[in-house]
Amino acid sequence: EIVLTQSPGSLSLSPGERATLSCRASQNVGRNFLAWFQQKPGQAPRLLIHAATRRATGIPDKFSGSGSGTDFTLTISRLEPEDFAVYHCHQYASSPLTFGGGTQVEIK
Amino acid sequence: EVQLVESGGGLVQPGGSLRLSCAGAGSSFSTFWMGWVRQAPGKGLEWVAFIKKDGSEKYYLDSIAGRFTISRDNAERSVYLQMNTLRAEDTAVYYCVGGSGWLEDHWGQGTLVTVSS
Repeated sequence: EIVLTQSPGSLSLSPGERATLSCRASQNVGRNFLAWFQQKPGQAPRLLIHAATRRATGIPDKFSGSGSGTDFTLTISRLEPEDFAVYHCHQYASSPLTFGGGTQVEIK
Repeated sequence: EVQLVESGGGLVQPGGSLRLSCAGAGSSFSTFWMGWVRQAPGKGLEWVAFIKKDGSEKYYLDSIAGRFTISRDNAERSVYLQMNTLRAEDTAVYYCVGGSGWLEDHWGQGTLVTVSS
């Protein structure tokens, strides 16, 4: 099983600032099948990034993904009020599929 | 594009059973892998099970294997999760998910399952 560790657990930032979220895998994620989801309270997760770097349909370019192998990063270039949420990384390369513990991005 | 709507959640006693249903609206349903992801209150996401487009392959989280069964009916555009021998730790919002591969790019709004006496 691939264990995903996200850091930090929470991030306190101001609107306009840049957010950098990390996701580390316990072993190589095949074909870089690593995704990022955004989740707001009471809502289902929304896909932002797949295959480590590809934005999902309709996702603005302030969201970007990078990394390969075991180390991945989600960057939000300039935080807007609607970006304050929980972000989950997820590997879909091998069963069991697994998620990281999440990073809460909070308004400072 | 597929819209997913779950039903069947509720309160059940430990050891009991529940069957979740997910109705898919959209012509792509039969081309999608379908599955379930759950989220315990205040916790992170946990993948539960997946079923291939034609139902020929199924994958399960170890902790629910033997207790939960995933199935689908493409004619009805539906996927199901039969949950038996439920435990308190199965309490969660269960999301129906789907995609052309293993990536879950379609999500329902979720249905809450509470296991408690």
